[in-house]
Amino acid sequence: AQKITQTQPGMFVQEKEAVTLDCTYDTSDPSYGLFWYKQPSSGEMIFLIYQGSYDQQNATEGRYSLNFQKARKSANLVISASQLGDSAMYFCAMRFKTGANNLFFGTGTRLTVIP
Amino acid sequence: NAGVTQTPKFQVLKTGQSMTLQCAQDMNHNSMYWYRQDPGMGLRLIYYSASEGTTDKGEVPNGYNVSRLNKREFSLRLESAAPSQTSVYFCATLRDILSYEQYFGPGTRLTVT
Repeated sequence: AQKITQTQPGMFVQEKEAVTLDCTYDTSDPSYGLFWYKQPSSGEMIFLIYQGSYDQQNATEGRYSLNFQKARKSANLVISASQLGDSAMYFCAMRFKTGANNLFFGTGTRLTVIP
Repeated sequence: NAGVTQTPKFQVLKTGQSMTLQCAQDMNHNSMYWYRQDPGMGLRLIYYSASEGTTDKGEVPNGYNVSRLNKREFSLRLESAAPSQTSVYFCATLRDILSYEQYFGPGTRLTVT
């Protein structure tokens, strides 16, 4: 069975500093995708970044990068130059290209950016 | 281009009442999903529809039914609401199995008293 683990219930970061949000996963399927979503206090789910299990390079999207370590089964999100608007819940998720193609989510990390 | 819309945004039900949550998309995506989000947890799959005319159970289907009315619309029905169904419900879509990004609706916050 697949499992996503986010061990940091809450994180604080100073504005303009970088922060890493941890995510580990467990699966025996060799083909999968890893995702990060942001959920601000308004409640919507905002897609941030995607990494495929066969991708050789770490994914980057603007200030977001995904530190993918396949052997360790980790997919940490790095946010550079934090902004006040980054304060939100962040969810790591995984998807397989078989079955329902649905997302399996971790329990989330609440990030607070301090001015 | 509204993306994924959900109605209602908020709902309060009494135990035993029924209601239908509506989801509609204008992106011509094939697959649609219903998730629920409980406090302190990530989203969990209730039901999904891989394509028009098909529906299947997800991880937590008990107490729910779904209808894929057409390609655009996917509804979730609670026949006899229970307090354990108090949650935030999200509808999501996926263009096809080669796509990677799921698009989420804004959510419906349901309270069952």
